Amino acid sequence: AQTVTQSQPEMSVQEAETVTLSCTYDTSESNYYLFWYKQPPSRQMILVIRQEAYKQQNATENRFSVNFQKAAKSFSLKISDSQLGDTAMYFCAFTYTGANSKLTFGKGITLSVRP
Amino acid sequence: DTAVSQTPKYLVTQMGNDKSIKCEQNLGHDTMYWYKQDSKKFLKIMFSYNNKELIINETVPNRFSPKSPDKAHLNLHINSLELGDSAVYFCASSPVQYGLDIDTQYFGPGTRLTVL
Repeated sequence: AQTVTQSQPEMSVQEAETVTLSCTYDTSESNYYLFWYKQPPSRQMILVIRQEAYKQQNATENRFSVNFQKAAKSFSLKISDSQLGDTAMYFCAFTYTGANSKLTFGKGITLSVRP
Repeated sequence: DTAVSQTPKYLVTQMGNDKSIKCEQNLGHDTMYWYKQDSKKFLKIMFSYNNKELIINETVPNRFSPKSPDKAHLNLHINSLELGDSAVYFCASSPVQYGLDIDTQYFGPGTRLTVL
């Protein structure tokens, strides 16, 4: 079974600062993807970034980047130059190729950006 | 140009009623999903369909019945609603073909169901 763990329930960061959200996962699969989704108060689930396990290079999307440590099964999200609009719940998620492939989510972390 | 849409966005109903939530995607994706987000914000898959065929059924009570009339639509019908069914229900879609590859899932706006 695959598990995704987000151990920090909430974090706070000053606007324009950098923050890192942690995620670890456990799997015996070799071909998988990892995601970070953002859920603002509007409740819409928005894809932030995706990392394919076979890629050694860490994914980046503008101010968002990941630190993917495959051996350690760690997948953290770094948000640079934090903005008020980054205030949201962030979910780490995992999926793989297989008969019952599905997204497995962590419990999420609430990020507050302070003005 | 909405990619994944759900109706209604809010649903308030009495215990024991039957209700449906509709989902449509215009992305041409092959696979669609239903997720439930509980009061603690935990997201868990309920069902997935690939080209109108049920692929995943995650130990959901049989009061919940998904129906996929075509690959662009996946509706969720709930019979005899209970207080514990109150949650936000998300539809999602993905271009993934069953068992062949993996790809990103795109989510609808969610339906907040409140059972009184």
